[in-house]
Amino acid sequence: AQSVTQPDIHITVSEGASLELRCNYSYGATPYLFWYVQSPGQGLQLLLKYFSGDTLVQGIKGFEAEFKRSQSSFNLRKPSVHWSDAAEYFCAVGGNYQLIWGAGTKLIIKP
Amino acid sequence: EPEVTQTPSHQVTQMGQEVILRCVPISNHLYFYWYRQILGQKVEFLVSFYNNEISEKSEIFDDQFSVERPDGSNFTLKIRSTKLEDSAMYFCASSPTARVATGELFFGEGSRLTVL
Repeated sequence: AQSVTQPDIHITVSEGASLELRCNYSYGATPYLFWYVQSPGQGLQLLLKYFSGDTLVQGIKGFEAEFKRSQSSFNLRKPSVHWSDAAEYFCAVGGNYQLIWGAGTKLIIKP
Repeated sequence: EPEVTQTPSHQVTQMGQEVILRCVPISNHLYFYWYRQILGQKVEFLVSFYNNEISEKSEIFDDQFSVERPDGSNFTLKIRSTKLEDSAMYFCASSPTARVATGELFFGEGSRLTVL
């Protein structure tokens, strides 16, 4: 069955520290992978997406993600987080007409 | 920058009442979607819509739900007789392309529905 797992419900990091949010997927075909961010009171905003080609993709706000087929992973990274990055982050895998979502990881930033 | 807008931002209703959630997709988009997120749970796909027809729907989208595009701009989700478990954030999205895999979904800010 198709599924997305984000093993960390929440993560706390200090401002300026590096960040890695984990995402594992199960999908029968070549996956199309996405990371979305949901800030408090806001909608879902696309950070980045992977369709094919270079397995390291760059997104907005200084985020990047690396697709590792052998590990069925698409982890999101940022070298130095800012307080404004506090939000919930969702990994998703694309089907034909729908996205299958992970449960989300809430990022908390310590001053 | 064009955006998807949703109204109302929050609606409180009594169980058994009908609710209509409204969405104005991005004007040149042709594919429309509803997703929902029950508090603390995953975002779930409800339905996709193209050319005045449902393209795909999930098991959640039962006979209590309906969608329509009554004019050239609005895309609505109707819940005929709300249940407590319908309480959720409902997200509308639109896309210029049919296949999620080749395009991008643009999401609205959501409509929070609370059923009492």
